[in-house]
Amino acid sequence: DGGITQSPKYLFRKEGQNVTLSCEQNLNHDAMYWYRQDPGQGLRLIYYSQIVNDFQKGDIAEGYSVSREKKESFPLTVTSAQKNPTAFYLCASSPWDRRNTIYFGEGSWLTVV
Amino acid sequence: SQQGEEDPQALSIQEGENATMNCSYKTSINNLQWYRQNSGRGLVHLILIRSNEREKHSGRLRVTLDTSKKSSSLLITASRAADTASYFCATDELFQGGSEKLVFGKGMKLTVNP
Repeated sequence: DGGITQSPKYLFRKEGQNVTLSCEQNLNHDAMYWYRQDPGQGLRLIYYSQIVNDFQKGDIAEGYSVSREKKESFPLTVTSAQKNPTAFYLCASSPWDRRNTIYFGEGSWLTVV
Repeated sequence: SQQGEEDPQALSIQEGENATMNCSYKTSINNLQWYRQNSGRGLVHLILIRSNEREKHSGRLRVTLDTSKKSSSLLITASRAADTASYFCATDELFQGGSEKLVFGKGMKLTVNP
């Protein structure tokens, strides 16, 4: 089935560690996105990529890094520089010709312990 | 940046009743969308309404758009317990470089009691 797969679903991180969240899509979409969701805060854009080997910062990129080496994959690394990383992370993608309709993965919960 | 804002923030109704959610936004838009999110899951696209449209239907969903008031409403008719979820409106903003991005509101939690 076509879709967006995020892994792991639940992840625990010790303070000072980097962790990487995986996002893979088989929808042949050009654009991919990472959002962070905190309770009562809605979704905030971390990074986005419109084509392979290119990505741009969103509204809250500090403490995060991404790569887009393949069209299907857009991993997000939460670095130790992110001071409050506990949140729900959502990966999404959209077709180039319909960039205003976004398809979401099921999300990954990251907790700092 | 936060563009859309849903109102009310939470709504609890009985099964069979209608549920109305409102969204207000600040700047001009090309289109407005509504998404649904079940607890702990990803968002699912429900409906898109363009700035030159005033009303759109999809099954039990009815969306209106009033660009003069910069507001939209989502009506769910004959609600079911399975409609229990959070609902988000999203509007488009321009990225630097001219492409569009979606900006989401904070969401509204709907509870439909059986």
